[in-house]
Amino acid sequence: EADIYQTPRYLVIGTGKKITLECSQTMGHDKMYWYQQDPGMELHLIHYSYGVNSTEKGDLSSESTVSRIRTEHFPLTLESARPSHTSQYLCASSTQGQEKLFFGSGTQLSVL
Amino acid sequence: KNQVEQSPQSLIILEGKNCTLQCNYTVSPFSNLRWYKQDTGRGPVSLTIMTFSENTKSNGRYTATLDADTKQSSLHITASQLSDSASYICVVSDRGSTLGRLYFGRGTQLTVWP
Repeated sequence: EADIYQTPRYLVIGTGKKITLECSQTMGHDKMYWYQQDPGMELHLIHYSYGVNSTEKGDLSSESTVSRIRTEHFPLTLESARPSHTSQYLCASSTQGQEKLFFGSGTQLSVL
Repeated sequence: KNQVEQSPQSLIILEGKNCTLQCNYTVSPFSNLRWYKQDTGRGPVSLTIMTFSENTKSNGRYTATLDADTKQSSLHITASQLSDSASYICVVSDRGSTLGRLYFGRGTQLTVWP
């Protein structure tokens, strides 16, 4: 069982609101990732981090931002949510070799 | 262009039956291929991971095969159970960058009926 947690599981908010999706892992992994997934579609990497104070944008352009102040914590923030941000957001972490990738349960975000 | 294609898109089988899911990829250079199971509303969970030199790997009732020459993989599920209903995602990793980029398929949605 993976020790990676995401909160909230579901979030429904209005347009223009600022939101933060939380992700924490207790496995001591240096590498952490945020993926975005729409129904029936593949996962798209939007952010990743190789360690504390290291963050990079992924393949899919996203208006969200991330921070990595502590090894175990990798929150994602949207300053002003829009309906186009409606999606499932999955956080993951991996061992150094990235061979084992552990996912959280995801946050289903709906922006009205 | 590096891509991962899965078939069929969806599949319905009766409980106790076997099934095989397909994955074709064009990712190069190849590092490894993984199969994940994703229950509805949950994150993917790893089933198997295979490198270039491995052509079969089992995890309980799940058996994955890899043909690196034809760039094809399959996931065979034996004696299906209701709990096998999920999306099965094929993921291929390249070794052309320090990130070891992952390429995700869109998944096969499997439904097991009683």
